[in-house]
Amino acid sequence: NAGVTQTPKFRILKIGQSMTLQCTQDMNHNYMYWYRQDPGMGLKLIYYSVGAGITDKGEVPNGYNVSRSTTEDFPLRLELAAPSQTSVYFCASSVRTGENNEQFFGPGTRLTVL
Amino acid sequence: KNEVEQSPQNLTAQEGEFITINCSYSVGISALHWLQQHPGGGIVSLFMLSSGKKKHGRLIATINIQEKHSSLHITASHPRDSAVYICAVERGSQGNLIFGKGTKLSVKP
Repeated sequence: NAGVTQTPKFRILKIGQSMTLQCTQDMNHNYMYWYRQDPGMGLKLIYYSVGAGITDKGEVPNGYNVSRSTTEDFPLRLELAAPSQTSVYFCASSVRTGENNEQFFGPGTRLTVL
Repeated sequence: KNEVEQSPQNLTAQEGEFITINCSYSVGISALHWLQQHPGGGIVSLFMLSSGKKKHGRLIATINIQEKHSSLHITASHPRDSAVYICAVERGSQGNLIFGKGTKLSVKP
């Protein structure tokens, strides 16, 4: 199993450009998450999904959109990139059955908006 | 005030020392997670606990629900333990996580 994979690893965007961060998991997990990690700060939840076709906002959703058409994929879309979106983005998944909510993280995408 | 506070922010230890990292939280939770972020950036889950104590190798995690406090202990620390250790609490009907800012541990040989 590859676990959780993310592409790209690095990206530089100009203000106003758009891009999609890809996230795929091969563990058949129902829950998937997108987080951002800013220097000196804890991870913040952007969006999450409890299953295919169902998404919901987290703590910091402004400027982002997501979709979940399949169990495996959970892409994050930035429509009009802003310098405030410079961050490291992590995708995660969990099976969330009973008391088991261990989250498995992708390697991260480092995004710079100039 | 952050809902999840970790201390210390930074910790330097000599190889072999016993290490304790603390996590305090101010909200009701269903579980608490400890994670490790490697110097290269990757994040792995170490423990998830809702009561008592768990042990895995040289790592021990404890939680006191009444005092809203958890500790992560590393026995016989090694330079490969150098990483950022993150505490996160699980709350709400969806069990989403609220993260602390992390404790950066450096173990010197």
